[in-house]
Amino acid sequence: EAEVAQSPRYKITEKSQAVAFWCDPISGHATLYWYRQILGQGPELLVQFQDESVVDDSQLPKDRFSAERLKGVDSTLKIQPAELGDSAMYLCASSLGGFYNEQFFGPGTRLTVL
Amino acid sequence: KQEVTQIPAALSVPEGENLVLNCSFTDSAIYNLQWFRQDPGKGLTSLLLIQSSQREQTSGRLNASLDKSSGRSTLYIAASQPGDSATYLCAVNNAGNMLTFGGGTRLMVKP
Repeated sequence: EAEVAQSPRYKITEKSQAVAFWCDPISGHATLYWYRQILGQGPELLVQFQDESVVDDSQLPKDRFSAERLKGVDSTLKIQPAELGDSAMYLCASSLGGFYNEQFFGPGTRLTVL
Repeated sequence: KQEVTQIPAALSVPEGENLVLNCSFTDSAIYNLQWFRQDPGKGLTSLLLIQSSQREQTSGRLNASLDKSSGRSTLYIAASQPGDSATYLCAVNNAGNMLTFGGGTRLMVKP
């Protein structure tokens, strides 16, 4: 069964360091999403891609976060510099696209900033 | 701005009980609603997707209903089992195909 892949699964870093997360969506899925989930809360959308283009990044803290999907397939989310408040689960999801399609989530990357 | 609320925040029941999880949303102009399950420290597993034109969806012991006009959805779990223990999240899809999530209901099913 096709799945969304993410790596690493866990990342521990010190404040002010740079971190990067990788996501490989289900093959053929044009739309890719990055969500952030703080412990005990529901996920919140950070950025949405349609193929290689950003559709929505209104909730992405652009002073320190960046996201790219250069060839319209896999994607990287970067944080530089990391802050204590960035500790969270970072989830990637993908869908075929369009308003009626189901989103499928990867296993997530748990980030701890010390 | 869409707001999604899930009640209760936590629930503990003995094995075998039928239970209902509630989800409410403020903007009824949605395309669909998804229910997810999340085990501790894991990603989200999609359970059921209800399109805006549908009233309910069923999968095994799970049944989800949608009343778009009143901004409500319920997830019914029949004959609960300890393996059902997890956090259940509902999410609505409206503008721009973005999901807005509720805070989740943490379910514990005791043997």
